[in-house]
Amino acid sequence: DADVTQTPRNRITKTGKRIMLECSQTKGHDRMYWYRQDPGLGLRLIYYSFDVKDINKGEISDGYSVSRQAQAKFSLSLESAIPNQTALYFCATSGSGTGEETQYFGPGTRLLVL
Amino acid sequence: QKEVEQDPGPLSVPEGAIVSLNCTYSNSAFQYFMWYRQYSRKGPELLMYTYSSGNKEDGRFTAQVDKSSKYISLFIRDSQPSDSATYLCAMSANRGSTLGRLYFGRGTQLTVWP
Repeated sequence: DADVTQTPRNRITKTGKRIMLECSQTKGHDRMYWYRQDPGLGLRLIYYSFDVKDINKGEISDGYSVSRQAQAKFSLSLESAIPNQTALYFCATSGSGTGEETQYFGPGTRLLVL
Repeated sequence: QKEVEQDPGPLSVPEGAIVSLNCTYSNSAFQYFMWYRQYSRKGPELLMYTYSSGNKEDGRFTAQVDKSSKYISLFIRDSQPSDSATYLCAMSANRGSTLGRLYFGRGTQLTVWP
């Protein structure tokens, strides 16, 4: 089984709809991250969480919100989706202490906003 | 200016060639340097990890860091078609930083043709 899972893997939605992307991990890591990837722009950090009570904005948090329901679960919400949020979304995790710099990525969610 | 610059390519080489991938950066606080490999429709996976300056070798892959020039490289010897992927450099500052962020390059798309 994969250590970091994301659901759904693909999603098509319409402008103005609310959508939630979910991430679960079995690595026992404290830290979780949400990124989006766009052609030519690379990976950009949306939000990150160092533990259940710690949520931080990344470089492109506008239009997004997150929820850390448990150590193993981190959800990303688009309250009112817009077409320029069409992208590939990745969840990632990392531990603390030795090796904390290394992040482990999920398989991604491909989102299309019409 | 982005903190991490990486030529997106694309780069196309014949099987057996030596491939050189590079990134430059502007933040002198970066000490941890990584290369991720991302196959099409997959999440990035850690390929190489280096702390501070110097070289690290793993099979056909060699990572080099030159902190004085703020320049890192990944060399692939005897390249294979299975090396065809997008390669992303990533780096972070001091361990234990409350930021704990990875800063990614845009990725270089590599194709190795038989």
